[in-house]
Amino acid sequence: DVKVTQSSRYLVKRTGEKVFLECVQDMDHENMFWYRQDPGLGLRLIYFSYDVKMKEKGDIPEGYSVSREKKERFSLILESASTNQTSMYLCASSEGYEQFFGPGTRLTVL
Amino acid sequence: QKEVEQDPGPLSVPEGAIVSLNCTYSNSAFQYFMWYRQYSRKGPELLMYTYSSGNKEDGRFTAQVDKSSKYISLFIRDSQPSDSATYLCAMSAVGSNYKLTFGKGTLLTVNP
Repeated sequence: DVKVTQSSRYLVKRTGEKVFLECVQDMDHENMFWYRQDPGLGLRLIYFSYDVKMKEKGDIPEGYSVSREKKERFSLILESASTNQTSMYLCASSEGYEQFFGPGTRLTVL
Repeated sequence: QKEVEQDPGPLSVPEGAIVSLNCTYSNSAFQYFMWYRQYSRKGPELLMYTYSSGNKEDGRFTAQVDKSSKYISLFIRDSQPSDSATYLCAMSAVGSNYKLTFGKGTLLTVNP
């Protein structure tokens, strides 16, 4: 079974802090994705990576950056957290079109 | 027009009912279609994956794709309380770098 793990289930941070969300997959997948999920807005793609060190912006990249130094690990960085970044963050990985999701990180920015 | 439309519900049915969940889409380039189930405060879990038109069955779940109408469906037979969740449709086109376009999800409650 594909396993995608995320570093924290719940996280509380202060406005202006730099926040790192980590995602690790164990299936040697080429593609990895970061989404945020908000009520009424659904899943929105922030960034994705289709190879180590290769990344592309998704639909809502503003305020975020990513890092993929190793194939199995994809990190989402909030350079200076703001209250409007309070959300559920979901990581996914895939080899083809089927994406497999992690359990999510519920981030609250105060 | 949004690329993928999905009725958010909520949908409430009695145990044992047949449930029909649907999505419509506007992009005729979509070829790959998925249904995900998401329990409260958890990540989405892949339920069904189909390519192009046709039906696919897996236990109590059947996925249908009608590309001529740009319409996909998920049927759940003999629904159980454990099926209570949000169901998300997702789809993708060739050459999209494997990006998915999601519907906003339908909240289903199956009452015992």
